[in-house]
Amino acid sequence: NAGVTQTPKFQVLKTGQSMTLQCAQDMNHEYMSWYRQDPGMGLRLIHYSVGAGITDQGEVPNGYNVSRSTTEDFPLRLLSAAPSQTSVYFCASSPLDRIERGSYNEQFFGPGTRLTVL
Amino acid sequence: AQTVTQSQPEMSVQEAETVTLSCTYDTSESDYYLFWYKQPPSRQMILVIRQEAYKQQNATENRFSVNFQKAAKSFSLKISDSQLGDAAMYFCALEGNYQLIWGAGTKLIIKP
Repeated sequence: NAGVTQTPKFQVLKTGQSMTLQCAQDMNHEYMSWYRQDPGMGLRLIHYSVGAGITDQGEVPNGYNVSRSTTEDFPLRLLSAAPSQTSVYFCASSPLDRIERGSYNEQFFGPGTRLTVL
Repeated sequence: AQTVTQSQPEMSVQEAETVTLSCTYDTSESDYYLFWYKQPPSRQMILVIRQEAYKQQNATENRFSVNFQKAAKSFSLKISDSQLGDAAMYFCALEGNYQLIWGAGTKLIIKP
C-alpha cells in the first residue's frame, strides 16, 4: 500500500495562475479531506468528501474547488492563486465506519505540498 | 462552533523526564473523539494517541498517556521518559461531524 500520496511536493505560482494539487489513496477510504497549515496555526479544513460524488466545505473553502469522481482521488483546485494561499497543504483519508461503538476514524495523512504564491 | 486551544506555544523538557502538554476544547457534540498528533521536521503527521469521549478511562500508548476531563473539556498529553526522538510539534485535534478541528500546536524541545 502506498497510503496517501500527494503531488507535487513543492510548487511556486504567480498570482492569478491556476493549478491542481493531486491526492490519491489506495486504502479504499470513503472519507477524504484537504487541510492547509500556516505558521503558528493548526491545520484548517478546506473541503472534505464522504464518498464519490459527495463534497462539502470546511472551515476555509474560499478560493478552492474540489471534486470526487472516484473513491481513490480527491484533487484540490486553485482557480486564481493569491499570495494568501501560500501554505502547506495536506490531504488525508480515513474509513467512514462509525456505526459501531469503539470504531474511530484515524486519519492517514499525505506528505504535504508546499505552495508559494508570488 | 467547535474549537481547540493549546495554550503552550513551546515546551522544553530534559531527556528522560516527564512533560505534560495542555489542550482544551469546546463542542456541543455528545459523541466525539480527541487525538494527539505529532509532526516532526519531516512534516509527516503521526497519530500518537486517541480518546473516545464516551470512555472514562484515560488512553495510554506506551510512554504516552492522556488526562481526559470531559466536564472540564480538557485533554492533556503526558510523555514519560522523554526521548530525543519526541522532539516535534504536537497537535491536539477534536473530531465531530466528519471534521477535525485542530489546535495551534505546541513545539516540544528535548534537552539532552
